[in-house]
Amino acid sequence: DAGVIQSPRHEVTEMGQEVTLRCKPISGHDYLFWYRQTMMRGLELLIYFNNNVPIDDSGMPEDRFSAKMPNASFSTLKIQPSEPRDSAVYFCASSLVPVAYEQYFGPGTRLTVT
Amino acid sequence: GENVEQHPSTLSVQEGDSAVIKCTYSDSASNYFPWYKQELGKGPQLIIDIRSNVGEKKDQRIAVTLNKTAKHFSLHITETQPEDSAVYFCAGGSNYKLTFGKGTLLTVNP
Repeated sequence: DAGVIQSPRHEVTEMGQEVTLRCKPISGHDYLFWYRQTMMRGLELLIYFNNNVPIDDSGMPEDRFSAKMPNASFSTLKIQPSEPRDSAVYFCASSLVPVAYEQYFGPGTRLTVT
Repeated sequence: GENVEQHPSTLSVQEGDSAVIKCTYSDSASNYFPWYKQELGKGPQLIIDIRSNVGEKKDQRIAVTLNKTAKHFSLHITETQPEDSAVYFCAGGSNYKLTFGKGTLLTVNP
């Protein structure tokens, strides 16, 4: 398996623009997680899905952030409008089973908002 | 919610020495404690994990210990090698949700 795939790997955009990050989980994994990593706050869980359904979005910072999972092999995290404080590395991870088991992380998308 | 504290934030050792990273957690309901290694430009990768019904687990040069009473767990790396240099994260949680520590930058000097 190719592992979790994320695109783009790097994104530079101007404040106010819409940004869409993409993730393809490992095939057969029923759980998908979106994390944000910054120096100040470390690795934070934003939202997770089970069988394409959002279960917990309490980590989503504000209404400018939205996430979807239209099918088992694809998820998006959208920021609209983007702000400089959204600059971070965004990771997608997937997991095979419920409860806390190994989460497989993608390579991340480094987002810079100028 | 869960709060995970990790120390030290940076650790420098000589090749061949041991390295120890410590974490504490706050939620007694947490029952799963993984450790992740993150190399530059990559996502975190699980290196070892432990569940609350076990006190210690070892995998070659890596070991993890858990003290449920004190709510702390530690990562031990023996015979360190330059390729062990990376950022290490501890995490704690139960069910679906993991809370991560802030990370430890480990540098192994040849």
